[in-house]
Amino acid sequence: EVQILESGGGLVQPGGSLRLSCAASGFSFSSQAMSWVRQAPGKGLEWVSGINPPGDHTNYADSVKGRFTMSRDNSKNTLYLQMQSLRAEDTALYYCAKVRDYGDWRFYFDSWGQGTLVTVSS
Amino acid sequence: EIVLTQSPGTLSLSPGEGATLSCRASQSVSSNYLAWYQQKPGQAPRLLIYGASTRATGIPDRFSGSGSGTDFSLTISRLEPEDFAVYYCQQYGSSPPNTFGQGTRLEIK
Repeated sequence: EVQILESGGGLVQPGGSLRLSCAASGFSFSSQAMSWVRQAPGKGLEWVSGINPPGDHTNYADSVKGRFTMSRDNSKNTLYLQMQSLRAEDTALYYCAKVRDYGDWRFYFDSWGQGTLVTVSS
Repeated sequence: EIVLTQSPGTLSLSPGEGATLSCRASQSVSSNYLAWYQQKPGQAPRLLIYGASTRATGIPDRFSGSGSGTDFSLTISRLEPEDFAVYYCQQYGSSPPNTFGQGTRLEIK
């Protein structure tokens, strides 16, 4: 059974940093591309970032490019999202998701964690 | 960037009725790479349909997807109480990014 568990969310001041983690099990983590998707309170879904299986290529939404860095440790079956220069509009529930990759960063999300809440406020 | 517009915003129906949700793309979705997700309050989204019409593992056959090009639909043939939720479409035919529609809320009438 696929299990995905995010952690690391919390309250942070504007301009601050936070690192999210995502522990995965139940599938061959090192063979799977992964992604982060976020959902602002009461709003819809927004793709944030993606990473290839080895972890040497990443891609980001324009809204977070240059501020967020996605990485992975395949030896620990864990994904990370380092967030810097946080803004109020980054406040959201951040989901880690396993993807089915169609190349060129085109994918759908076939398994999701329960999310971790990031609140950016002074 | 492909913009997905879902309609209606809210759909009010009774259990046992059929539901049709629409997702319209601002330009053609390559290879009909269109997915649908269901999200219940306090829960993560769940994949229902990919490739416009293929049900994901474990999804009941009362859920069906159809469409091509710019117009797609999700049909629920006989609504069960657990089907009342928010539904999102997502295109993965062009990237970046993988864009989502704004969602349709299916509520009990």
